[in-house]
Amino acid sequence: DAGITQSPRHKVTETGTPVTLRCHQTENHRYMYWYRQDPGHGLRLIHYSYGVKDTDKGEVSDGYSVSRSKTEDFLLTLESATSSQTSVYFCAISKQGATFNEQFFGPGTRLTVL
Amino acid sequence: QKEVEQNSGPLSVPEGAIASLNCTYSDRGSQSFFWYRQYSGKSPELIMSIYSNGDKEDGRFTAQLNKASQYVSLLIRDSQPSDSATYLCAVGGGSGGYNKLIFGAGTRLAVHP
Repeated sequence: DAGITQSPRHKVTETGTPVTLRCHQTENHRYMYWYRQDPGHGLRLIHYSYGVKDTDKGEVSDGYSVSRSKTEDFLLTLESATSSQTSVYFCAISKQGATFNEQFFGPGTRLTVL
Repeated sequence: QKEVEQNSGPLSVPEGAIASLNCTYSDRGSQSFFWYRQYSGKSPELIMSIYSNGDKEDGRFTAQLNKASQYVSLLIRDSQPSDSATYLCAVGGGSGGYNKLIFGAGTRLAVHP
Protein backbone atom coordinates (compact mmCIF):
# COMPACT_ATOMS: atom_id res chain seq x y z
CA ASP A 1 0.00 0.00 0.00
CA ALA A 2 1.62 3.25 -1.15
CA GLY A 3 -0.63 5.41 1.02
CA ILE A 4 -2.47 6.96 -1.91
CA THR A 5 -6.08 8.08 -1.79
CA GLN A 6 -8.18 9.64 -4.52
CA SER A 7 -11.33 11.68 -4.22
CA PRO A 8 -14.01 11.51 -5.28
CA ARG A 9 -14.09 7.84 -6.20
CA HIS A 10 -17.05 8.32 -8.50
CA LYS A 11 -18.41 11.46 -10.12
CA VAL A 12 -21.09 12.24 -12.67
CA THR A 13 -21.07 15.71 -14.15
CA GLU A 14 -22.41 17.61 -17.11
CA THR A 15 -20.63 18.86 -20.19
CA GLY A 16 -19.10 22.28 -19.70
CA THR A 17 -18.73 22.13 -15.92
CA PRO A 18 -15.34 22.29 -14.21
CA VAL A 19 -14.20 19.23 -12.30
CA THR A 20 -11.30 18.76 -9.89
CA LEU A 21 -9.95 15.39 -8.86
CA ARG A 22 -7.67 15.06 -5.86
CA CYS A 23 -4.79 12.70 -5.21
CA HIS A 24 -3.39 12.56 -1.69
CA GLN A 25 -0.32 10.68 -0.51
CA THR A 26 0.95 10.21 3.01
CA GLU A 27 4.59 9.17 2.39
CA ASN A 28 6.20 12.37 1.06
CA HIS A 29 7.06 11.02 -2.42
CA ARG A 30 8.46 13.52 -4.88
CA TYR A 31 6.99 12.19 -8.13
CA MET A 32 3.24 12.02 -8.74
CA TYR A 33 1.32 11.21 -11.93
CA TRP A 34 -2.16 11.42 -13.38
CA TYR A 35 -3.27 8.81 -15.92
CA ARG A 36 -6.51 8.07 -17.69
CA GLN A 37 -7.53 4.56 -18.69
CA ASP A 38 -9.88 3.84 -21.57
CA PRO A 39 -10.74 0.54 -23.27
CA GLY A 40 -8.22 -0.31 -25.98
CA HIS A 41 -5.81 2.44 -24.94
CA GLY A 42 -4.36 1.25 -21.69
CA LEU A 43 -3.01 3.87 -19.31
CA ARG A 44 -2.09 7.22 -20.80
CA LEU A 45 -0.17 9.91 -18.95
CA ILE A 46 -1.96 13.24 -18.58
CA HIS A 47 0.41 15.27 -16.38
CA TYR A 48 3.06 14.56 -13.82
CA SER A 49 4.83 16.42 -11.03
CA TYR A 50 8.41 16.21 -9.82
CA GLY A 51 7.99 18.50 -6.83
CA VAL A 52 5.92 21.28 -5.33
CA LYS A 53 4.91 23.67 -8.13
CA ASP A 54 6.91 21.56 -10.64
CA THR A 55 4.70 19.90 -13.24
CA ASP A 56 4.94 18.80 -16.85
CA LYS A 57 2.66 17.54 -19.58
CA GLY A 58 2.11 13.96 -20.62
CA GLU A 59 0.82 12.58 -23.90
CA VAL A 60 -2.87 13.51 -23.43
CA SER A 61 -2.74 16.84 -21.56
CA ASP A 62 -5.15 18.89 -23.70
CA GLY A 63 -8.18 19.96 -21.67
CA TYR A 64 -6.49 19.24 -18.34
CA SER A 65 -4.51 21.29 -15.86
CA VAL A 66 -2.78 20.31 -12.63
CA SER A 67 -1.51 21.92 -9.49
CA ARG A 68 0.73 20.85 -6.66
CA SER A 69 0.97 23.36 -3.85
CA LYS A 70 1.87 20.75 -1.21
CA THR A 71 3.96 17.60 -1.48
CA GLU A 72 1.06 15.41 -0.46
CA ASP A 73 -1.61 16.71 -2.86
CA PHE A 74 -1.76 16.63 -6.66
CA LEU A 75 -4.91 18.07 -8.21
CA LEU A 76 -6.23 17.40 -11.71
CA THR A 77 -8.70 19.91 -13.14
CA LEU A 78 -10.91 19.59 -16.17
CA GLU A 79 -11.60 23.23 -16.96
CA SER A 80 -14.73 22.49 -18.99
CA ALA A 81 -15.59 18.81 -19.02
CA THR A 82 -16.45 17.09 -22.30
CA SER A 83 -17.92 13.64 -22.96
CA SER A 84 -14.54 12.51 -24.34
CA GLN A 85 -13.14 12.95 -20.84
CA THR A 86 -15.38 10.21 -19.48
CA SER A 87 -12.81 7.77 -18.18
CA VAL A 88 -11.21 6.18 -15.16
CA TYR A 89 -8.49 8.39 -13.71
CA PHE A 90 -5.59 6.97 -11.74
CA CYS A 91 -3.03 8.76 -9.67
CA ALA A 92 0.38 7.17 -9.17
CA ILE A 93 3.58 7.84 -7.26
CA SER A 94 7.20 6.80 -7.65
CA LYS A 95 8.65 5.75 -4.33
CA GLN A 96 11.81 7.49 -3.25
CA GLY A 97 14.60 4.99 -3.06
CA ALA A 98 12.75 2.50 -5.21
CA THR A 99 14.71 0.82 -7.96
CA PHE A 100 14.45 2.90 -11.09
CA ASN A 101 10.97 4.28 -11.64
CA GLU A 102 8.53 1.79 -10.21
CA GLN A 103 5.13 3.39 -9.98
CA PHE A 104 2.31 2.57 -7.56
CA PHE A 105 -1.29 3.44 -8.16
CA GLY A 106 -4.17 4.85 -6.20
CA PRO A 107 -7.65 3.29 -6.27
CA GLY A 108 -8.92 5.43 -9.17
CA THR A 109 -11.77 7.84 -9.87
CA ARG A 110 -14.52 6.92 -12.30
CA LEU A 111 -15.71 10.09 -14.05
CA THR A 112 -18.78 10.25 -16.27
CA VAL A 113 -19.46 13.40 -18.28
CA LEU A 114 -23.02 13.57 -19.61
CA GLN B 1 2.19 3.63 -33.99
CA LYS B 2 1.93 2.26 -30.47
CA GLU B 3 5.17 2.20 -28.56
CA VAL B 4 4.31 -0.80 -26.38
CA GLU B 5 2.37 -3.62 -27.98
CA GLN B 6 0.51 -6.48 -26.31
CA ASN B 7 -1.94 -9.03 -27.64
CA SER B 8 -5.30 -8.05 -26.18
CA GLY B 9 -6.40 -11.66 -25.69
CA PRO B 10 -8.21 -13.19 -24.04
CA LEU B 11 -5.53 -15.75 -23.37
CA SER B 12 -7.30 -18.80 -21.99
CA VAL B 13 -5.31 -21.44 -20.08
CA PRO B 14 -6.37 -24.37 -17.90
CA GLU B 15 -5.68 -24.34 -14.18
CA GLY B 16 -2.16 -25.58 -13.42
CA ALA B 17 -0.76 -24.68 -16.84
CA ILE B 18 1.87 -22.07 -17.69
CA ALA B 19 0.54 -18.77 -18.99
CA SER B 20 2.86 -16.85 -21.29
CA LEU B 21 2.27 -13.13 -21.82
CA ASN B 22 4.27 -11.14 -24.33
CA CYS B 23 5.13 -7.50 -24.93
CA THR B 24 7.21 -5.68 -27.54
CA TYR B 25 8.42 -2.09 -27.40
CA SER B 26 9.78 0.34 -29.96
CA ASP B 27 12.19 2.60 -28.00
CA ARG B 28 15.65 0.98 -28.01
CA GLY B 29 16.79 3.29 -25.23
CA SER B 30 14.29 1.87 -22.75
CA GLN B 31 15.89 0.79 -19.49
CA SER B 32 13.14 -0.42 -17.19
CA PHE B 33 10.35 -2.88 -17.72
CA PHE B 34 7.36 -3.70 -15.56
CA TRP B 35 4.38 -6.02 -15.38
CA TYR B 36 1.22 -4.91 -13.64
CA ARG B 37 -1.82 -7.01 -12.83
CA GLN B 38 -5.22 -5.35 -12.91
CA TYR B 39 -8.39 -7.01 -11.72
CA SER B 40 -11.66 -5.75 -13.18
CA GLY B 41 -12.67 -2.48 -11.54
CA LYS B 42 -9.43 -2.21 -9.58
CA SER B 43 -6.17 -0.29 -9.94
CA PRO B 44 -2.99 -1.73 -11.48
CA GLU B 45 -0.73 -3.63 -9.07
CA LEU B 46 3.00 -3.95 -9.72
CA ILE B 47 4.01 -7.62 -9.80
CA MET B 48 7.40 -7.70 -11.56
CA SER B 49 10.21 -5.32 -12.48
CA ILE B 50 13.16 -6.21 -14.71
CA TYR B 51 16.10 -4.13 -15.89
CA SER B 52 18.71 -6.54 -17.30
CA ASN B 53 18.61 -9.10 -20.08
CA GLY B 54 17.63 -12.56 -18.94
CA ASP B 55 15.17 -14.01 -16.50
CA LYS B 56 13.95 -12.81 -13.12
CA GLU B 57 11.90 -15.14 -10.96
CA ASP B 58 9.57 -14.29 -8.08
CA GLY B 59 7.44 -17.13 -6.81
CA ARG B 60 5.25 -18.39 -9.65
CA PHE B 61 6.16 -15.41 -11.85
CA THR B 62 9.12 -15.17 -14.22
CA ALA B 63 9.88 -12.05 -16.24
CA GLN B 64 12.10 -12.41 -19.31
CA LEU B 65 13.84 -9.52 -21.06
CA ASN B 66 15.57 -9.49 -24.45
CA LYS B 67 16.70 -5.95 -25.27
CA ALA B 68 18.17 -6.91 -28.65
CA SER B 69 14.76 -8.16 -29.77
CA GLN B 70 12.91 -5.45 -27.79
CA TYR B 71 10.81 -8.09 -26.16
CA VAL B 72 9.67 -8.70 -22.60
CA SER B 73 7.52 -11.56 -21.38
CA LEU B 74 5.83 -12.79 -18.22
CA LEU B 75 5.41 -16.47 -17.40
CA ILE B 76 2.96 -17.57 -14.75
CA ARG B 77 3.51 -21.13 -13.59
CA ASP B 78 0.79 -23.29 -12.03
CA SER B 79 -1.86 -20.79 -13.13
CA GLN B 80 -4.79 -20.38 -10.78
CA PRO B 81 -8.28 -18.97 -11.40
CA SER B 82 -7.25 -16.09 -9.13
CA ASP B 83 -4.65 -15.13 -11.77
CA SER B 84 -7.48 -14.20 -14.14
CA ALA B 85 -6.95 -10.50 -14.76
CA THR B 86 -5.57 -8.05 -17.29
CA TYR B 87 -1.78 -7.85 -17.37
CA LEU B 88 -0.22 -4.54 -18.36
CA CYS B 89 3.31 -4.21 -19.70
CA ALA B 90 5.04 -0.88 -18.99
CA VAL B 91 8.35 0.43 -20.31
CA GLY B 92 10.38 3.36 -19.03
CA GLY B 93 13.65 5.22 -19.17
CA GLY B 94 13.64 5.79 -22.91
CA SER B 95 13.36 9.01 -24.86
CA GLY B 96 10.33 9.96 -22.78
CA GLY B 97 12.52 10.34 -19.74
CA TYR B 98 13.56 8.42 -16.68
CA ASN B 99 10.41 8.91 -14.67
CA LYS B 100 7.80 8.32 -17.34
CA LEU B 101 6.31 4.96 -18.25
CA ILE B 102 4.61 3.91 -21.46
CA PHE B 103 1.93 1.27 -20.99
CA GLY B 104 0.61 -1.33 -23.35
CA ALA B 105 -3.14 -1.80 -23.63
CA GLY B 106 -2.97 -5.07 -21.68
CA THR B 107 -3.59 -8.76 -22.20
CA ARG B 108 -6.61 -10.35 -20.59
CA LEU B 109 -5.84 -13.73 -19.02
CA ALA B 110 -8.57 -16.24 -18.20
CA VAL B 111 -7.62 -19.31 -16.16
CA HIS B 112 -10.35 -21.93 -16.22
CA PRO B 113 -10.72 -24.81 -13.72
